Amino acid sequence: DAKTTQPTSMDCAEGRAANLPCNHSTISGNEYVYWYRQIHSQGPQYIIHGLKNNETNEMASLIITEDRKSSTLILPHATLRDTAVYYCIVLGNNRKLIWGLGTSLAVNP
Amino acid sequence: SQTIHQWPATLVQPVGSPLSLECTVEGTSNPNLYWYRQAAGRGLQLLFYSVGIGQISSEVPQNLSASRPQDRQFILSSKKLLLSDSGFYLCAWKRTGVNEQFFGPGTRLTVL
Repeated sequence: DAKTTQPTSMDCAEGRAANLPCNHSTISGNEYVYWYRQIHSQGPQYIIHGLKNNETNEMASLIITEDRKSSTLILPHATLRDTAVYYCIVLGNNRKLIWGLGTSLAVNP
Repeated sequence: SQTIHQWPATLVQPVGSPLSLECTVEGTSNPNLYWYRQAAGRGLQLLFYSVGIGQISSEVPQNLSASRPQDRQFILSSKKLLLSDSGFYLCAWKRTGVNEQFFGPGTRLTVL
């Protein structure tokens, strides 16, 4: 199962775009990239997922490089409520989410 | 709409005592169910998952067990808690054939 690497922490100013990178250099052709976030003391919340093409929904955009070895989650206009730990996950062959330590995003006023 | 419930929200138990955490899902049938544990400052660790009534797969050897007595009920148990069992326990569900998982509010367990 492919592993992911994310920065431990990031800061972002309120109202600016937050760009969260993820490295998944060992990803295989049929594995999806999933993003979840976890606000303190709550269960994780699904954000977005993708395979090859860039994806956008009401929460965020997901940019996947052409070689699929990395991706970036973009929160276009970060708010204080976006402060959370963001997890980048590659769906393994056995269909189980494999969780790393994530990126702790602090959105500052 | 679907909802997932977990209780209790918080629990403080002495070492050696039993444990029973319950998770129920409403608004769907035959969900895949998952138990995760999250230690302080760590990522989520998958403990058990179930694809149907009575079907339990264990991911990590430990003193915990899981049961699924009904389609939308998932129970995490222990006969004797250890200090290392402290953590945030999360239940999740997903539809068969869909990868997105939905998480419950979690139970924070402290073993003293």
